[in-house]
Amino acid sequence: AQTVTQSQPEMSVQEAETVTLSCTYDTSESDYYLFWYKQPPSRQMILVIRQEAYKQQNATENRFSVNFQKAAKSFSLKISDSQLGDAAMYFCASEYGNKLVFGAGTILRVKS
Amino acid sequence: GAVVSQHPSRVICKSGTSVKIECRSLDFQATTMFWYRQFPKQSLMLMATSNEGSKATYEQGVEKDKFLINHASLTLSTLTVTSAHPEDSSFYICSARRGDRGAEAFFGQGTRLTVV
Repeated sequence: AQTVTQSQPEMSVQEAETVTLSCTYDTSESDYYLFWYKQPPSRQMILVIRQEAYKQQNATENRFSVNFQKAAKSFSLKISDSQLGDAAMYFCASEYGNKLVFGAGTILRVKS
Repeated sequence: GAVVSQHPSRVICKSGTSVKIECRSLDFQATTMFWYRQFPKQSLMLMATSNEGSKATYEQGVEKDKFLINHASLTLSTLTVTSAHPEDSSFYICSARRGDRGAEAFFGQGTRLTVV
């Protein structure tokens, strides 16, 4: 079965600093997709970034970037220049068939 | 981006009654929608995959007779919690994907169900 592991229940970062959220996954598929979703206090899930496994280049979206290590099955999210609005629960997810398998989530707190 | 609308956002019902939650894709057609349940500060647990024009596919351990799913059209899926009990109180979220594998999933705003 597909599993996604987020080992950091909570993380804190000072405003304007950089933080990295870790994620590891397990899959037997050769071609797959990985995602980071954000769930702010409103609880509306929002896509942060997406990575296609067959692409070696790490995905970036403005202040958000990933470090995708396919051999190690690692998919960490780096948030640069953290802002107060980045405070949320972050979920790493892997696609399994047509379903998304989510990790347990990491609560990110941003200090002003 | 695409919009998925979920209604109601909050509902309180009496134990033993049924409650229906609607999930609509407003600007795209979704042949497949997904229903999740989320407990406080926990991850999303997939309950079932809703397929337009056919029966839903339920995850292991999810009672299909309690959680009735109907995907009546390409833009509407409903989840009915039948004979609700306090332990069914939770946050329910739907999502829909516009496209095939790897496509972004768009989520509804969620429904907070409280059974009293």
